[in-house]
Amino acid sequence: AQKITQTQPGMFVQEKEAVTLDCTYDTSDPSYGLFWYKQPSSGEMIFLIYQGSYDQQNATEGRYSLNFQKARKSANLVISASQLGDSAMYFCAMRGTDTGNQFYFGTGTSLTVIP
Amino acid sequence: DTAVSQTPKYLVTQMGNDKSIKCEQNLGHDTMYWYKQDSKKFLKIMFSYNNKELIINETVPNRFSPKSPDKAHLNLHINSLELGDSAVYFCASSRSGQGKETQYFGPGTRLLVL
Repeated sequence: AQKITQTQPGMFVQEKEAVTLDCTYDTSDPSYGLFWYKQPSSGEMIFLIYQGSYDQQNATEGRYSLNFQKARKSANLVISASQLGDSAMYFCAMRGTDTGNQFYFGTGTSLTVIP
Repeated sequence: DTAVSQTPKYLVTQMGNDKSIKCEQNLGHDTMYWYKQDSKKFLKIMFSYNNKELIINETVPNRFSPKSPDKAHLNLHINSLELGDSAVYFCASSRSGQGKETQYFGPGTRLLVL
C-alpha cells in the first residue's frame, strides 16, 4: 500500500529564513516519483518540484530543493529565503509505477511566513 | 490557453438536486482525475480515468459518477446532493505511464450544498 505522511499540520518561519517541510512515504514499488505542490489561499494547486526514486542528486528548482533520503523514505521540501508569498498549504505526493496513474497525497502542511 | 479548466467555478445548490461539473484539458494527456478537498484541506482521490480503465475510490458514494465523452473531457455528475458533499472539487490530468510527469490541476469548483 502507498502512503504519504506529513506530520507538521502548521509551520511558521521568519521572512528570509529557510524552512523544511517534512514528508515520509511508504511504498513497495521499485520505482516511484515524489512531488510537492503549493496551494495558496486563492486555491489553485501549483506543482513545485519532482524527485525520481533513482535520481542520484536531490532535485532543486530555484528556492525549492528536495532533501531526498531514500533509505529513510523521506522527501523533505526545503524553501530557502522565505518570502511572504510562500505562505500557503504544501502537499507532498507520490506516484508509483506499479500503481499505474495514481497519485497519493499527504495531509498537507500550512506554512506561514512572518514578516 | 488554460491547461485544465473547470466549470463552474462556484456552485450553490439545494440538497437533493443533481448537478454536473465539467472538466477539459488541452494538454493531450490521457489520464484525468477528480479530487475532493474538504474544509480541512484533505485532498481525496475520487476517480482516475483513461481510455482503458476507470478506477473508483471505493469510499466514493455511487451518487458520484464520472462521464468522459472523449480523452480531453471528464465530467463529474452528482445525484441527490447532500450537505456533506460541500467541498472544493479539483479536476487534474497527467500522462499515463510516465512516473516523472506531474499532474496539472484545474482551478477547482467550490460546491456549497444548502
